[in-house]
Amino acid sequence: DTAVSQTPKYLVTQMGNDKSIKCEQNLGHDTMYWYKQDSKKFLKIMFSYNNKELIINETVPNRFSPKSPDKAHLNLHINSLELGDSAVYFCASSHFLPGAGGTEAFFGQGTRLTVV
Amino acid sequence: AQTVTQSQPEMSVQEAETVTLSCTYDTSENNYYLFWYKQPPSRQMILVIRQEAYKQQNATENRFSVNFQKAAKSFSLKISDSQLGDTAMYFCAFRSGGSRLTFGEGTQLTVNP
Repeated sequence: DTAVSQTPKYLVTQMGNDKSIKCEQNLGHDTMYWYKQDSKKFLKIMFSYNNKELIINETVPNRFSPKSPDKAHLNLHINSLELGDSAVYFCASSHFLPGAGGTEAFFGQGTRLTVV
Repeated sequence: AQTVTQSQPEMSVQEAETVTLSCTYDTSENNYYLFWYKQPPSRQMILVIRQEAYKQQNATENRFSVNFQKAAKSFSLKISDSQLGDTAMYFCAFRSGGSRLTFGEGTQLTVNP
């Protein structure tokens, strides 16, 4: 069973298009995240949801819109894609409060987005 | 805000030898958690080891161990008996309370045969 599953793994699209990445976790976590990994491999938080509520919203263009229909799912929709959006996007999940339930975040396999 | 620094962009080691990756962090928190994640070419982020700041004993997982120096805010990873499969990007990460994971810049480790 895959703990954190995101689809698709690869996404190649033209500038100006709109695309979505889906993420699901079956770990019973209450918090989910989107991270962006740039070409230099640096991982930066974009968004975080706790029990379907947005709790972290870093400085990200408003072309990026996360949606959490329930605490097991967090999707990322990107409008009007630009060349600079090319990166690997990771979904992750964890318990909100580290403790007996565990401290670490679990990651999906990443989505490599290429905008041409 | 917390920051995590990995000062070694690249390192290499011979198979079966030992290598240590460095990490320092900055925080005003007293209770927090530190992690090392591994990212092989497959791109998957894999947890290697974790350390709770309130525990004085250094964490160990098989060939992987940490040297946690709380006063110095240092958290290094030692890999013993390096194997070819250890070749990966290694990320140090910090977490406190209900906050997100903050990552260092990463260290690319290459294990040579």
